[in-house]
Amino acid sequence: QSVLTQPPSASGTPGQRLTISCSGSSSNIGTNTVNWYRQLPGTAPKLLIYSNNQRPSWVPDRFSGSKSGTSASLAISGLQSEDEADYYCAAWDDSLNGFVFGNGAKVTVL
Amino acid sequence: VLLVQSGAEVKKPGASVKVSCRASGYTFTDYSIHWVRQAPGQGLEWMGWINPNSGGTNYAQKFQGRVTMTRDTSISTTYMELSRLTSGDTAVYYCARELTLTTSRWFDPWGQGTLVTVSS
Repeated sequence: QSVLTQPPSASGTPGQRLTISCSGSSSNIGTNTVNWYRQLPGTAPKLLIYSNNQRPSWVPDRFSGSKSGTSASLAISGLQSEDEADYYCAAWDDSLNGFVFGNGAKVTVL
Repeated sequence: VLLVQSGAEVKKPGASVKVSCRASGYTFTDYSIHWVRQAPGQGLEWMGWINPNSGGTNYAQKFQGRVTMTRDTSISTTYMELSRLTSGDTAVYYCARELTLTTSRWFDPWGQGTLVTVSS
């Protein structure tokens, strides 16, 4: 059972805006920054968003992150077929003294 | 910047496995290395980290007593050894470099992963 809670799946049609939520607690998201990773089938996870809302240079601005209280969200605008992947949120947890991940959300483009 | 891991392993229950992660493209001792595993069809699970400069480690409570992370600075390589393996340890094991900015911490890049299969 993951410490951070994500919906197991999300779907949309090309061009739509999709949002994935990540719910935590005061010891993780409520206190520390949130990162998002994308994992294509059979490959290693790759950084998508760091420090709540920062995009690495290789990530298109269609992807954005936000945080409020003990929850965070990843938004994908202009959904494309190549966005089909698993998306994981992550944060440091002060109580567990370690990193915790969400259970992962599988994005499907219809 | 690249992290290259050792190849797949097949182990019997009760045995130990040692996975390596070789870093290149940056100063090895400047960044901590974390280990994360992913069981088949499951999510990501953090195991712990090692500071390549000091050799200091921090392990997730679940793995304490069973995991040992070490490093060899002469070849820019970190190792993760897991002992007393059970079928529940069958997973892909990833190493990842930690980046920090003030109080923010994240992983980039990740190694390609090493599949460890535990089977009698």
